[in-house]
Amino acid sequence: SQQGEEDPQALSIQEGENATMNCSYKTSINNLQWYRQNSGRGLVHLILIRSNEREKHSGRLRVTLDTSKKSSSLLITASRAADTASYFCATAGSGNTPLVFGKGTRLSVIA
Amino acid sequence: DVKVTQSSRYLVKRTGEKVFLECVQDMDHENMFWYRQDPGLGLRLIYFSYDVKMKEKGDIPEGYSVSREKKERFSLILESASTNQTSMYLCASSLRWGAEAFFGQGTRLTVV
Repeated sequence: SQQGEEDPQALSIQEGENATMNCSYKTSINNLQWYRQNSGRGLVHLILIRSNEREKHSGRLRVTLDTSKKSSSLLITASRAADTASYFCATAGSGNTPLVFGKGTRLSVIA
Repeated sequence: DVKVTQSSRYLVKRTGEKVFLECVQDMDHENMFWYRQDPGLGLRLIYFSYDVKMKEKGDIPEGYSVSREKKERFSLILESASTNQTSMYLCASSLRWGAEAFFGQGTRLTVV
């Protein structure tokens, strides 16, 4: 069962611009995580935001969480060509359950 | 540095073969997971394990089985490979429920 739904499916921007990706989910969560996947590789964890947090920063990444709207956004500022990858959100429920991943947003940053 | 290692990056097998995909983690994690990833479908959970010899079905367990005889190793078995099992397979582990997941590099399996 896929809970997270990323939007847009694909995004193409110029180097230096900001990239914003959104994630919506359906049920209550304990936390929400964002992952990055370079082409043909495994996923790498980027950031985790707990359900009682509204915003979190890590370097050029900014994540927001709105539990009332059941949505999150990932902002990458001053994007670089090396940011080209697919980005996934994953939700963690309150019980002993695995993370549930969305289908991802494919980001292309053009130099 | 934490590590999840999958035995092969690329694998080509024939229809009907029994296929073993191996995954080893060196972080003493309780939980281990197998996902498959297909274009447009995202990551779908096949099986997971929360302890040695314990396993649970995920969303798409049909045609697969798993084995966890030791804490660090989680194997995915395709009993009789079929062409619709051609996919990217990703193994992951986590210290506890809801924690950050660590992924292997993936195995791209082609069944011909």
